[in-house]
Amino acid sequence: AQSVTQPDIHITVSEGASLELRCNYSYGATPYLFWYVQSPGQGLQLLLKYFSGDTLVQGIKGFEAEFKRSQSSFNLRKPSVHWSDAAEYFCAVVNDYKLSFGAGTTVTVRA
Amino acid sequence: DGGITQSPKYLFRKEGQNVTLSCEQNLNHDAMYWYRQDPGQGLRLIYYSQIVNDFQKGDIAEGYSVSREKKESFPLTVTSAQKNPTAFYLCASSKGHLQETQYFGPGTRLLVL
Repeated sequence: AQSVTQPDIHITVSEGASLELRCNYSYGATPYLFWYVQSPGQGLQLLLKYFSGDTLVQGIKGFEAEFKRSQSSFNLRKPSVHWSDAAEYFCAVVNDYKLSFGAGTTVTVRA
Repeated sequence: DGGITQSPKYLFRKEGQNVTLSCEQNLNHDAMYWYRQDPGQGLRLIYYSQIVNDFQKGDIAEGYSVSREKKESFPLTVTSAQKNPTAFYLCASSKGHLQETQYFGPGTRLLVL
């Protein structure tokens, strides 16, 4: 079965520093990939998605992600983190009839 | 304003009690989903419905039931057979095709008394 792995459970980053969140998937064909963000006690909001075409995808809130087939990865990046980016981030892949989510990465932003 | 509403925000269940979580959407979406979220485990699919009067089990359907009598509504019942119901429950909807973005409600936190 297709699956998603987020290797980092928790990342702490200074405000203004760059951020990269890792996502690896296992899938035979070209996957449909998503990044969602969740603030505490809230629902999920879509940051960006990849279906095909340009492997560098731009999303909302200044985030981008790069699809690398050779590495089975879809890492999320932001050049300069703001305190409001503190949240939990989920990578997801379409898996037959459903979305499969990674376990999430919690991002803490320090002043 | 289009969106997904879930109620209540917090719900308490007593032993042996069935409780129902509400999910309503006014996005005119065909597909709706229920997920369970536990710390450190991401989201797991409970049930999904691609069209009115039809629904399918997800990965962890045991102890749960759903109905889809109206396009805009997809209530989830947590039955007494669900032995560990304490979790955060998220409802989502999409236009229908799986590549379409799923939009999430604000969630309901279920606690056992």
